[in-house]
Amino acid sequence: DAGITQSPRYKITETGRQVTLMCHQTWSHSYMFWYRQDLGHGLRLIYYSAAADITDKGEVPDGYVVSRSKTENFPLTLESATRSQTSVYFCASSGQGSGELFFGEGSRLTVL
Amino acid sequence: QKEVEQDPGPLSVPEGAIVSLNCTYSNSAFQYFMWYRQYSRKGPELLMYTYSSGNKEDGRFTAQVDKSSKYISLFIRDSQPSDSATYLCAMSSWGKSTFGDGTTLTVKP
Repeated sequence: DAGITQSPRYKITETGRQVTLMCHQTWSHSYMFWYRQDLGHGLRLIYYSAAADITDKGEVPDGYVVSRSKTENFPLTLESATRSQTSVYFCASSGQGSGELFFGEGSRLTVL
Repeated sequence: QKEVEQDPGPLSVPEGAIVSLNCTYSNSAFQYFMWYRQYSRKGPELLMYTYSSGNKEDGRFTAQVDKSSKYISLFIRDSQPSDSATYLCAMSSWGKSTFGDGTTLTVKP
């Protein structure tokens, strides 16, 4: 089915471990984004990508790494997870970078 | 101070009421203005999208943008229990969107 899918949907890990959240879209959208959503902070942009091999920092990039070797995939890696990274992570894509975002269902990460 | 401020809510209204959701912003570079609806444990979905001052209507929903006052609103007419969700305003410039914190709406039958 066409759309944007995230995996895993739920993840529990321990402090210091590396975690990778996957995002895949089938629309061939140029733009892809990672947001985190926390109570009291709304959606905050972590990283975004305007095209394959082009990535840029958002509002809260510290502790995260992204890559985009293929247009359809945009993985987010937490190199050494911390408790403050417990959150719901949303991947989104956009065809034109005009603000019309299509979101995945989210990945709920708990860091113990 | 945040670039986008959204009326926090929560809002609880009876079925059939008119609902008004509001956001203000400080960044004049914002070019596009959106409203998203988010059901519990789901991703946000785009509800309304505008790029100019004025009103845009889609069924029971009307988005209003006032660039001179840096103010946007979403009106929901004849609200239904299925409208119960969190509503997020968002504004975009140069490909990046900034979101408000969301307003949770409950429509009671």
